[in-house]
Amino acid sequence: AAGVIQSPRHLIKEKRETATLKCYPIPRHDTVYWYQQGPGQDPQFLISFYEKMQSDKGSIPDRFSAQQFSDYHSELNMSSLELGDSALYFCASSWQDSSNYGYTFGSGTRLTVV
Amino acid sequence: GEDVEQSLFLSVREGDSSVINCTYTDSSSTYLYWYKQEPGAGLQLLTYIFSNMDMKQDQRLTVLLNKKDKHLSLRIADTQTGDSAIYFCADRTGFQKLVFGTGTRLLVSP
Repeated sequence: AAGVIQSPRHLIKEKRETATLKCYPIPRHDTVYWYQQGPGQDPQFLISFYEKMQSDKGSIPDRFSAQQFSDYHSELNMSSLELGDSALYFCASSWQDSSNYGYTFGSGTRLTVV
Repeated sequence: GEDVEQSLFLSVREGDSSVINCTYTDSSSTYLYWYKQEPGAGLQLLTYIFSNMDMKQDQRLTVLLNKKDKHLSLRIADTQTGDSAIYFCADRTGFQKLVFGTGTRLLVSP
């Protein structure tokens, strides 16, 4: 079965650079969520999109932006990277009408800022 | 905001049962989930429970929910070394996002 695809799997950037993370949800899933998991931390919700519109916003820095495209894939853009942005970034997708399932998470993008 | 708490660490011997506990504060929770995360890996959904249920069993996993006390537990029967991982409970809030607990590191020794 198709899963949530994230790319790249690993990314190394220098401070003040820009990074773009991509997420391809499970086909027919209409909602995408982004989470950030710092070392030894629990995943923290950043932002979500439903039908290409932002549906909820969490602790996402102003330096970050995201969008969902017409094919439902989503991109998280991170600018002016800081050392503290080093983390595992997860994307998850779900279908709004399926109320009894957990979200399917991608394998994550490990971002290292040096 | 919502808060989900877990004990940080649990150590058991292979073959024993493991019980991982979770407390949450959100009164409007609809579903509660358990995820497993192995080192450097993604989040694997183990099981979930609807908030109007008090128990759910799925093979070696048993979830108990005490909605009055806002307490959730995950029991793993016949724990194996391959069960060693971090276990997160997560609360589905009104806006559909998941709020994760702090994670419990389960160590299973032979």
